[in-house]
Amino acid sequence: NAGVTQTPKFQVLKTGQSMTLQCAQDMNHNSMYWYRQDPGMGLRLIYYSASEGTTDKGEVPNGYNVSRLNKREFSLRLESAAPSQTSVYFCASSETTGKGQPQHFGDGTRLSIL
Amino acid sequence: AQKITQTQPGMFVQEKEAVTLDCTYDTSDPSYGLFWYKQPSSGEMIFLIYQGSYDQQNATEGRYSLNFQKARKSANLVISASQLGDSAMYFCAMRDAPNSGYSTLTFGKGTMLLVSP
Repeated sequence: NAGVTQTPKFQVLKTGQSMTLQCAQDMNHNSMYWYRQDPGMGLRLIYYSASEGTTDKGEVPNGYNVSRLNKREFSLRLESAAPSQTSVYFCASSETTGKGQPQHFGDGTRLSIL
Repeated sequence: AQKITQTQPGMFVQEKEAVTLDCTYDTSDPSYGLFWYKQPSSGEMIFLIYQGSYDQQNATEGRYSLNFQKARKSANLVISASQLGDSAMYFCAMRDAPNSGYSTLTFGKGTMLLVSP
């Protein structure tokens, strides 16, 4: 029962490097999301994709780009990593963006930028 | 104003006792959903329970129930008969669409619950 799978689980980068966080879901969900979680904070939405072919900014999109590759996959890219982007990143999916739809989360990617 | 407020940074409870985790919210959208998630020390986010703003009855899921007081804009999570495995961070979240656009999920800062033997 995979659900939402994120890769990698851990990553250390140097300032200025780029990388892509991968996310795939096997629940046939239409909507997918990327969040970051910082100490003492709840999760904050970076970007979301309401359906295949669409993406929209969330609360904290600066410094990130996303690609909804297909219905299953939604990737998050850091073009030039900065220490402020050190965080735990969560991918989530839900059937739709309907208000009663719970989001199901991956296990997170712990990203450190030196 | 914060959309979701969890005023208890930490809570302690003894095993087998009940505990209430507080959550208040703020929205201008008459239609919204409220969620609770559990995050154990291993880090994953686990969906626990959902309450819709128009639901007539308080939601229940096993040992979890939601004390929903719409007029007071509160949605407190009640865990009955606490177990050691309930020790975790708990997040309250709300899904609304105040600008009639896509709805998004906003999280509170969380409450750390520690269950002692």
